[in-house]
Amino acid sequence: QQQVKQSPQSLIVQKGGIPIINCAYENTAFDYFPWYQQFPGKGPALLIAIRPDVSEKKEGRFTISFNKSAKQFSLHIMDSQPGDSATYFCAANLMVGGSNYQLIWGAGTKLIIKP
Amino acid sequence: DSGVTQTPKHLITATGQRVTLRCSPRSGDLSVYWYQQSLDQGLQFLIQYYNGEERAKGNILERFSAQQFPDLHSELNLSSLELGDSALYFCASSVGQAPNTGELFFGEGSRLTVL
Repeated sequence: QQQVKQSPQSLIVQKGGIPIINCAYENTAFDYFPWYQQFPGKGPALLIAIRPDVSEKKEGRFTISFNKSAKQFSLHIMDSQPGDSATYFCAANLMVGGSNYQLIWGAGTKLIIKP
Repeated sequence: DSGVTQTPKHLITATGQRVTLRCSPRSGDLSVYWYQQSLDQGLQFLIQYYNGEERAKGNILERFSAQQFPDLHSELNLSSLELGDSALYFCASSVGQAPNTGELFFGEGSRLTVL
C-alpha cells in the first residue's frame, strides 16, 4: 500500500514531442508528490512537485497532472529537447508518525529525446 | 551544485573489504539520508539521521552501518563487501527532521565497484 508504481520504465521520444510519465499510488495519506530529475553521473534533483488538492501545476515546459480520485499523477514535458534526456523519478511523501515523513519512490523512467 | 558533498567519488575495492563513504550536508541541514542505486535501478532508501540520531531505517543490510557526527557530516560504512554491493551511493540532506515538502538535496554520489 505504500508503493508508488511508475511507468513506463523507458521512453524514447522525438525532439518536440510530449513524453508522458505516469505514476499511481494506493495510500490516500500521501500528501505531497515531487518529481526528481537525474542526469547520468549526477544525483537526483527536485524538478517540480504538487499537492493533492491541486489538479495541475506547470513550471516552464514541465507539467504535473494530478487525478486524486484515480490516485494517479503524471509528468508531461512540452516541446521536449535532447537536454531533457534523463531518468525521472516520481515520489510521494507520507507522514509516518509525529513530525516524521517518509519519501516513497517510483522505480524511475529513463527518457531519451532523439534530435 | 546542491551543496551536498560526497567523498570519494569513485572507489574500487575487493570482496570482503570494508569502505567508508563520507557526506557533508548543505549548510544548515540537520537531516542526512543515504540511498543506494544499482545499475539502471531505482533509489533504495538505506537510513536517515537527524541531528546525530537515527530517524528512519530502510533496506539497509546488517553489514552496513552509518552515523552522523556532531558537525552533522555523516559516514556510511560498508563491510564484508560482496560483488552485489557495487552501486552508486547517494547522500541527501534536508532542512528539517523530515521533508514534509518532499525536497531532498542530493550529492553527486560515490560509485563503489567491488571486484
